[in-house]
Amino acid sequence: EIVLTQSPGTLSLSPGERATLSCRTSQSVITKTYISWYQQKPGQAPRLLIYNGFNRATGIPDRFSGSGSGTDFSLTISSLEPEDFAVYFCQQFGTSLVTFGQGTKLEIK
Amino acid sequence: QVQLQESGPGLVKPSETLSLTCTVSGGSVNNNAFYWGWIRQAPGKGLEWVGSIFYNGSTYYNPSLKSRLTISVETSKNEFSLNLSSATAADTAVYYCVREGILIAFGEFEYYYGMDVWGQGTTVSVSS
Repeated sequence: EIVLTQSPGTLSLSPGERATLSCRTSQSVITKTYISWYQQKPGQAPRLLIYNGFNRATGIPDRFSGSGSGTDFSLTISSLEPEDFAVYFCQQFGTSLVTFGQGTKLEIK
Repeated sequence: QVQLQESGPGLVKPSETLSLTCTVSGGSVNNNAFYWGWIRQAPGKGLEWVGSIFYNGSTYYNPSLKSRLTISVETSKNEFSLNLSSATAADTAVYYCVREGILIAFGEFEYYYGMDVWGQGTTVSVSS
């Protein structure tokens, strides 16, 4: 099972700043293993932001971008909007198994 | 657009079976472009994948739940279901049903598009 470790646990930033969230996998991500990112606001279901490491899902603003390879992946929000403060989860899919990171809370400074 | 709706008891007694159904509207479960899955979130915790099913009934389970878990699909009703036996307090969570986009080519899995549609979630408490 691939374990995903997200950092930091909490990130405190101001609107307009750039946010970089990290997701590290316990094994190198190989062919047919996929990294996705989700945003969850209080009381809501998560929302897909990024799939296959860097592809934005339908309707996701271009201030959200994903990158990475091997064991290190990141989600970057180029300029924070007030609605971006939420919890973010990374997820991996591989060999028909799914695991999630523990989440990063992005809070207003 | 596709919508998912979870339904089932909000309270389950310990040792009993936790049963939930996800009804799909605006689309069909009988579609080889998707897995249909369950995710749960314990109070104040992160997301945990429970398991997923393909339209033909092929299932993929979280190894930690596999011995207690059954996921099934009913194409005639356009729904899929979860049964988790021998429930304990540790199963108390918000349960979400999800659609996972995939690409199958020549009978082989080729691509994963992520969990692009989520139900609103249903809270299940396991308590006597």
